[in-house]
Amino acid sequence: QSVLTQPPSVSGAPGQRVTISCTGSSSDAGALYDVHWYQQLPGTAPKLLIYGNNIRPSGVPDRFSGSKSGTSASLAITGLQAEDEADYYCQSQDTSLSAHVLFGGGTKLTVL
Amino acid sequence: QVQLQESGPGLVKPSETLSLNCTVSGGSISDYHWSWIRQPPGKGLEWIGYVYYSGSTNYNPSLRSRVTISVDTSKNQFSLKLTSVTAADTAVYYCARTLELGSSSDYFDYWGQGTLVTVSS
Repeated sequence: QSVLTQPPSVSGAPGQRVTISCTGSSSDAGALYDVHWYQQLPGTAPKLLIYGNNIRPSGVPDRFSGSKSGTSASLAITGLQAEDEADYYCQSQDTSLSAHVLFGGGTKLTVL
Repeated sequence: QVQLQESGPGLVKPSETLSLNCTVSGGSISDYHWSWIRQPPGKGLEWIGYVYYSGSTNYNPSLRSRVTISVDTSKNQFSLKLTSVTAADTAVYYCARTLELGSSSDYFDYWGQGTLVTVSS
């Protein structure tokens, strides 16, 4: 059974750059499948932020970028703004034959 | 613009069955997978499962014995049934359109606003 691990919290001042990691682990130590990222503002549904490791849907600012290497992925946010304060979730697939959907535990971003 | 709207009881008694519907508007339910995802208060997201418009399904192994997801293409709607609920099933339940990227990489591009279901007597 695979697990996606994210830091519980990160913080940064306005204008700064922050990164959120997402590390996969499984009994077979396989590489992660494609990773997707969601932003959840307080009291709202999650919103797709990045899909296919590094693709931004239309309307997502280019301040948000994603990357993946081996068993880890990262979300980077540059030019941090107050409205970026939210919970961020990575999502991928279980690396077992079942390939079920997995979410990371979520990271709370605080803009100082 | 695709929109999804969850509907169903907000309160369910322990040991009973939780039933929710998700109505899709602004697009056809055909040619896509459709998922249910839940979020306990103050906690993270958990994928419950998805249904294809043809009716085929895939469920989270941890919930498989209690979950049924079905689709009604004539109503552009899909549904969730979760049996034998306990307080641990209290959560906001979201429905979401599910896209496939490659052979085994699913992601969710449109989400409903979510509906809180509380399990309590």
